[in-house]
Amino acid sequence: AQSVTQLDSQVPVFEEAPVELRCNYSSSVSVYLFWYVQYPNQGLQLLLKYLSGSTLVKGINGFEAEFNKSQTSFHLRKPSVHISDTAEYFCAVSGLRDTGRRALTFGSGTRLQVQP
Amino acid sequence: EAGVTQFPSHSVIEKGQTVTLRCDPISGHDNLYWYRRVMGKEIKFLLHFVKESKQDESGMPNNRFLAERTGGTYSTLKVQPAELEDSGVYFCASSQFSAGELFFGEGSRLTVL
Repeated sequence: AQSVTQLDSQVPVFEEAPVELRCNYSSSVSVYLFWYVQYPNQGLQLLLKYLSGSTLVKGINGFEAEFNKSQTSFHLRKPSVHISDTAEYFCAVSGLRDTGRRALTFGSGTRLQVQP
Repeated sequence: EAGVTQFPSHSVIEKGQTVTLRCDPISGHDNLYWYRRVMGKEIKFLLHFVKESKQDESGMPNNRFLAERTGGTYSTLKVQPAELEDSGVYFCASSQFSAGELFFGEGSRLTVL
């Protein structure tokens, strides 16, 4: 079984400031890691994913995340945020369930509020 | 190419009534998933179809929930009878491969009064 912890439920930040959204996970097996974003009144959209290889993953809209196996973390970062980045961000892991099938386990989400 | 579509976008019903949510996955996607988010908590897995077969329904909360995927195309999720704690947003997602990227719909918001 796996679990995901997003430590911050809300993160207020000023426009053009850097931001880091934290995500820690636990799993007894190897996992794939994802960040999804949900803009108001829209569905979940994939920001980036880590499957293997380089631990620094770049995604859409200038976001990046770093997989740290020793700290079981996958924090999301952006060096300079825009008002349009205001949304809810979800960290997720894809691991094997007891059924032998993979499915996503999500964190509780972090609301990023970008202020002018 | 059309994305994952869900209907209705919002449903308000009374406790004890029945509601059916529908999901149309992306054409050609054999894998279809249902997830639910209750009251700002985490998004939780409900079940996984591969074509018309249920591969994993271990996340279904109880037998008031019934999911079907006729002919391996669209899927329905029926709640009967609905209870207050069933309120939340029900997301559907599809993927071409079981370990591949999931494409989500906009969700169906269910409010049980």
